Amino acid sequence: AQKVTQAQTEISVVEKEDVTLDCVYETRDTTYYLFWYKQPPSGELVFLIRRNSFDEQNEISGRYSWNFQKSTSSFNFTITASQVVDSAVYFCAPHNTDKLIFGTGTRLQVFP
Amino acid sequence: GAGVSQSPSNKVTEKGKDVELRCDPISGHTALYWYRQRLGQGLEFLIYFQGNSAPDKSGLPSDRFSAERTGESVSTLTIQRTQQEDSAVYLCASSSGLAGYEQYFGPGTRLTVT
Repeated sequence: AQKVTQAQTEISVVEKEDVTLDCVYETRDTTYYLFWYKQPPSGELVFLIRRNSFDEQNEISGRYSWNFQKSTSSFNFTITASQVVDSAVYFCAPHNTDKLIFGTGTRLQVFP
Repeated sequence: GAGVSQSPSNKVTEKGKDVELRCDPISGHTALYWYRQRLGQGLEFLIYFQGNSAPDKSGLPSDRFSAERTGESVSTLTIQRTQQEDSAVYLCASSSGLAGYEQYFGPGTRLTVT
C-alpha cells in the first residue's frame, strides 16, 4: 500500500527552539516528488517545500531545511529558531502517480 | 493574482439532501483537485481533472459523489443524498501541471450534514 506515516501527532516547543518533523513514506514509483504543506489555524494549506526523488541533496531555505533519505524513505523537515507563527499542522505528501498522498499531519505548537 | 476560491464557505444541510460545492481555480492552471478533510485528519484525495483528459475518479468514496469541470475553469462537486459521514471540509486545489507541481489550495467548504 502507498502511504505516509507521520508518527509525531503533536509537538510542543518554546520559541527559538529547533524542531524536526518526521515523515516516512511508501511508494511503488521509482521517481516521485515529495512535498511539505502547512495548515495554520485559518485552515488554508500553504506549500512549503518540494523535493524530487532523484536528488538527495539536502537544502536550507531560510529557517527551513529538509533531510531526504531515499534508502530509508524518509523526508524530515526542520524549522530552525521556531516562532509562534509557525504553530500549525504540517503535512508530508509524496506526489504519487499524479496525486498527493497526505499523512495525518503533525500539530506543532510554539509557545512564547 | 487571485488564488483558488471556493463557495460556499459553510454549508449546513439535512441528511438526504443534495449539495453542490464550487471551486474557481487559479487562471491558467490546467489541473484541479478535490480533497476531503475530516476533523483532525489528513486530506483524502477525491478526484482530479487535467486539461481535456478523462478525470481520475479513483478517490470518490461512493456513487453519490460526482464532479464536473468546464474546460480549464470552474468545477463543481456534487454529493447526492447526503449522509452524516459526509460532514467534512472539502478542499479544492489547482496547479500548473500534474507530477511535481505544487498545488495551491482554496479555503475550503465546511459541510455539515444534520
